[in-house]
Amino acid sequence: DAGVIQSPRHEVTEMGQEVTLRCKPISGHDYLFWYRQTMMRGLELLIYFNNNVPIDDSGMPEDRFSAKMPNASFSTLKIQPSEPRDSAVYFCASSARGREGMAQYFGPGTRLTVL
Amino acid sequence: QQPVQSPQAVILREGEDAVINCSSSKALYSVHWYRQKHGEAPVFLMILLKGGEQKGHEKISASFNEKKQQSSLYLTASQLSYSGTYFCGTVYTGGDMGFQKLVFGTGTRLLVSP
Repeated sequence: DAGVIQSPRHEVTEMGQEVTLRCKPISGHDYLFWYRQTMMRGLELLIYFNNNVPIDDSGMPEDRFSAKMPNASFSTLKIQPSEPRDSAVYFCASSARGREGMAQYFGPGTRLTVL
Repeated sequence: QQPVQSPQAVILREGEDAVINCSSSKALYSVHWYRQKHGEAPVFLMILLKGGEQKGHEKISASFNEKKQQSSLYLTASQLSYSGTYFCGTVYTGGDMGFQKLVFGTGTRLLVSP
């Protein structure tokens, strides 16, 4: 089974531009998570969905960030307008109930650089 | 609210043992452990769902002391492949809506040398 797929793997953009990150969770998983990782702040949860519905978006930094999950196999994280302080690695993860509890499986990440 | 891990970093020689601790200031429902190699995504190791539970994964095991709000990860006879940063992730008790919300710890960098 394919793991979590993210695109693009790397994104370099200029301040003020719109950035869209994409994620395809593992088939059959009903939870999807967006994380941001930086040296200063570590691994932070931005938002998570259950059955395509946003459950907790308290980690979204500000209104410039938005996330959608139009169906069970696709989610986007959008930053508009982008700022240099948004530079980070953004991970998408998915999970489902099982014998292992609610293990989260991470995608390879998108390294975002805002100039 | 972020769980605190100790030590922050550890250097081992191949074959040595290590313990990584994760302490929370809030009551815990479960604890996850992940390992992240440089430039890669975190990889799930194990989850502990009950207080006092211990689990093992090859030569890596963990314990969860619900009363102390702590978990420890034990690495025995370390191998070169164990190098990376280890994170605990905690799920706090209370609130159905927050059931799946992981708060990751500060991380522990482990380097195993030949």
